[in-house]
Amino acid sequence: DQQVKQNSPSLSVQEGRISILNCDYTNSMFDYFLWYKKYPAEGPTFLISISSIKDKNEDGRFTVFLNKSAKHLSLHIVPSQPGDSAVYFCAATSRGWGSTLGRLYFGRGTQLTVWP
Amino acid sequence: DADVTQTPRNRITKTGKRIMLECSQTKGHDRMYWYRQDPGLGLRLIYYSFDVKDINKGEISDGYSVSRQAQAKFSLSLESAIPNQTALYFCATSDLRGADYGYTFGSGTRLTVV
Repeated sequence: DQQVKQNSPSLSVQEGRISILNCDYTNSMFDYFLWYKKYPAEGPTFLISISSIKDKNEDGRFTVFLNKSAKHLSLHIVPSQPGDSAVYFCAATSRGWGSTLGRLYFGRGTQLTVWP
Repeated sequence: DADVTQTPRNRITKTGKRIMLECSQTKGHDRMYWYRQDPGLGLRLIYYSFDVKDINKGEISDGYSVSRQAQAKFSLSLESAIPNQTALYFCATSDLRGADYGYTFGSGTRLTVV
């Protein structure tokens, strides 16, 4: 049973517009969330993260929003650029409990295409 | 040199053959992981190791085995390869000692079983 879900396998956005990628989770013990970006023929690379004590974290064009009550997070990219075209994975972990401490649970990914 | 190195980068093998994928890291991380990526299925965990003496099965361990030869080395074996093990395989490392709970991934091994 997937604990982290990305329900949109793909998203297409025009350059300069906002890209919004969504992620839902089911495990209420998750308290740290990350986004990874993956280009073809490369491994995933860390993009941005957020702790459950925050509801927003910003890094340049990338902002992650967390809604704990809805168990939902989203990644906003503004403005979108063609170089942002990649697969984006949402991931979640717990920092404070059990043998799975620190283990990341990944969603299935969303392929973002930014067209000129 | 990359922090996490996977060898080989590409491999074609025949059904029934035994094959080993290797991973080495220079991050000094205790934790290492093996994932496979399939289209539409994302990253699925095969095995993980929290230290040299600790090996754990992930979501899809059947048909795979691992060996943690040292803190820096974690290898994945397919005992008798089958075509549905054709996939992109990633090794990753992590460390709980810092504030960063993220993983560092290798560049992947593309395995084709014919």
